[in-house]
Amino acid sequence: RKEVEQDPGPFNVPEGATVAFNCTYSNSASQSFFWYRQDCRKEPKLLMSVYSSGNEDGRFTAQLNRASQYISLLIRDSKLSDSATYLCVVIGASGYSTLTFGKGTMLLVSP
Amino acid sequence: EAQVTQNPRYLITVTGKKLTVTCSQNMNHEYMSWYRQDPGLGLRQIYYSMNVEVTDKGDVPEGYKVSRKEKRNFPLILESPSPNQTSLYFCASSPYRQGNTGELFFGEGSRLTVL
Repeated sequence: RKEVEQDPGPFNVPEGATVAFNCTYSNSASQSFFWYRQDCRKEPKLLMSVYSSGNEDGRFTAQLNRASQYISLLIRDSKLSDSATYLCVVIGASGYSTLTFGKGTMLLVSP
Repeated sequence: EAQVTQNPRYLITVTGKKLTVTCSQNMNHEYMSWYRQDPGLGLRQIYYSMNVEVTDKGDVPEGYKVSRKEKRNFPLILESPSPNQTSLYFCASSPYRQGNTGELFFGEGSRLTVL
């Protein structure tokens, strides 16, 4: 089983739609979780950290389910500018030596 | 301005001709790393460094070398490039502290083509 798995997509949604991505991880000792956004041919940038209690930033909500070993990202009221690839990042108990990126999920928002 | 700077941004070279991709950060970060990104394979870590003079192999270190003589610089060296090293390369840094993970800051990427 791969360490971090994401549905590659693409997810094609109309503006205004709500879309959710999941990311599963295999190491139950994983400690830290993040969502990054990558625009085409650009560098990844941190979108949000994922906390155990869940967290929200405007239209974006991130959640962690330790029992089922996955994290999720919910985007409400999608905008054209949300079109990008969303990468999940999982860091194990040993810190950055165990940092793993998912392959990313592509989102395409159309008018 | 806080940033990670990579050079060159674009390079076309030939098999066997040694090259170095430089990476420099001005944020006094301890952690630095190199990734390559290929279609369908995502970001794969090549090497990383927790601090000066400390480097470790990532998932795909074959054909690459790195050094960390200064905190701010982390060059990626391809001693004898081959076509399978054609890729998009990213350098990243972070203010890592043991047990306290932080945000990764990426350079803009270096697109390398080996003919």
